[in-house]
Amino acid sequence: GQNIDQPTEMTATEGAIVQINCTYQTSGFNGLFWYQQHAGEAPTFLSYNVLDGLEEKGRFSSFLSRSKGYSYLLLKELQMKDSASYLCAVRARGSTLGRLYFGRGTQLTVWP
Amino acid sequence: NAGVMQNPRHLVRRRGQEARLRCSPMKGHSHVYWYRQLPEEGLKFMVYLQKENIIDESGMPKERFSAEFPKEGPSILRIQQVVRGDSAAYFCASSDNSGQGKNEQFFGPGTRLTVL
Repeated sequence: GQNIDQPTEMTATEGAIVQINCTYQTSGFNGLFWYQQHAGEAPTFLSYNVLDGLEEKGRFSSFLSRSKGYSYLLLKELQMKDSASYLCAVRARGSTLGRLYFGRGTQLTVWP
Repeated sequence: NAGVMQNPRHLVRRRGQEARLRCSPMKGHSHVYWYRQLPEEGLKFMVYLQKENIIDESGMPKERFSAEFPKEGPSILRIQQVVRGDSAAYFCASSDNSGQGKNEQFFGPGTRLTVL
């Protein structure tokens, strides 16, 4: 089966840097996605990695190592509004379309 | 540019009734996905559809659940004879096929189904 693991909860202070890890075991790989989800709202797309390495987008960066089945999401200069659940998702099939397998999400709380 | 739209946002049904959830994808998107989210759990895939076709329904229970995406109109997720265990948030997502591989899925606001 498919398995996506990420920590359940993390806390950090405003202005700090936090790294949220995700490990995966899937049959096939065709991209890893990070989404942000505020309570009671829709997940919103943050980042996409399909090749090894770091993708940077403003305060958010995402890293992928396919050989290790590992990714992380790095959030810099944390703000209170970054308090949310962060979802790691893998597209396992050979197609560039198709279902995503989600982890349970990491609930990040940012303290002032 | 409207995003993915879902209605109703909240739906209350009694056990044994039917629930119909609607999803209109983003403009230009022809791929629709339905996911279910239970409290404290991750999003679980249910079904993937293109216009008039079910591509992957491996995550959808074989009984009581059905989905369609007609040529005209929204995609519909239908749950017959609802039970309390069907209470959850149901999210619809859509994507295009831009040919560049990312094809990220954009999510709607969800329908929160409560079965009494």
